[in-house]
Amino acid sequence: GAGVSQSPSNKVTEKGKDVELRCDPISGHTALYWYRQSLGQGLEFLIYFQGNSAPDKSGLPSDRFSAERTGGSVSTLTIQRTQQEDSAVYLCASTLNQGDTEAFFGQGTRLTVV
Amino acid sequence: AQSVSQHNHHVILSEAASLELGCNYSYGGTVNLFWYVQYPGQHLQLLLKYFSGDPLVKGIKGFEAEFIKSKFSFNLRKPSVQWSDTAEYFCAVKRGAGSYQLTFGKGTKLSVIP
Repeated sequence: GAGVSQSPSNKVTEKGKDVELRCDPISGHTALYWYRQSLGQGLEFLIYFQGNSAPDKSGLPSDRFSAERTGGSVSTLTIQRTQQEDSAVYLCASTLNQGDTEAFFGQGTRLTVV
Repeated sequence: AQSVSQHNHHVILSEAASLELGCNYSYGGTVNLFWYVQYPGQHLQLLLKYFSGDPLVKGIKGFEAEFIKSKFSFNLRKPSVQWSDTAEYFCAVKRGAGSYQLTFGKGTKLSVIP
């Protein structure tokens, strides 16, 4: 597609349930980021994928969070046993490569844990 | 650790007023600098970027930013704002030389009153 696509756009889940959030990056972009955007907190880095290299998971807030990227393209962010504090907008971005290029963002998935 | 500070949480201006949003970062080496904008209900999009060369960069919609290395700053300016500039503005820093870590500030919400 022409841009970064995320699905679903909105997700309401019950506390304790698992959720999966999907990101389709721009075709040909080798680098992919996940961020979490909470009210008044800016964008919190979660995880970074670059080609076939091991991902940088240093931003994941707990072991309930995990992400994978299959075939160097689509990525899935999984949150297990969701908590109310997980409620936020989860943003995906892709860049052409690791170097001096801008990041293109998707619309995000608004997650609400009730 | 690298950090990005945006001085104002919420700025309210009347149309035609001049705008300056502050951004400071903590990393001392080569950096790439970005301003992103998020209009209500839309995804983050790039406003302007600095990689090298002229420290005064011009972006879309009449925005500009000046990189002052000695002050670790990259302030965003616009001489005359419009109601359509109402949005949230995020400063971001990426270390240069092929680094990937893209760190965002907490954002500044701009409200322009007609």
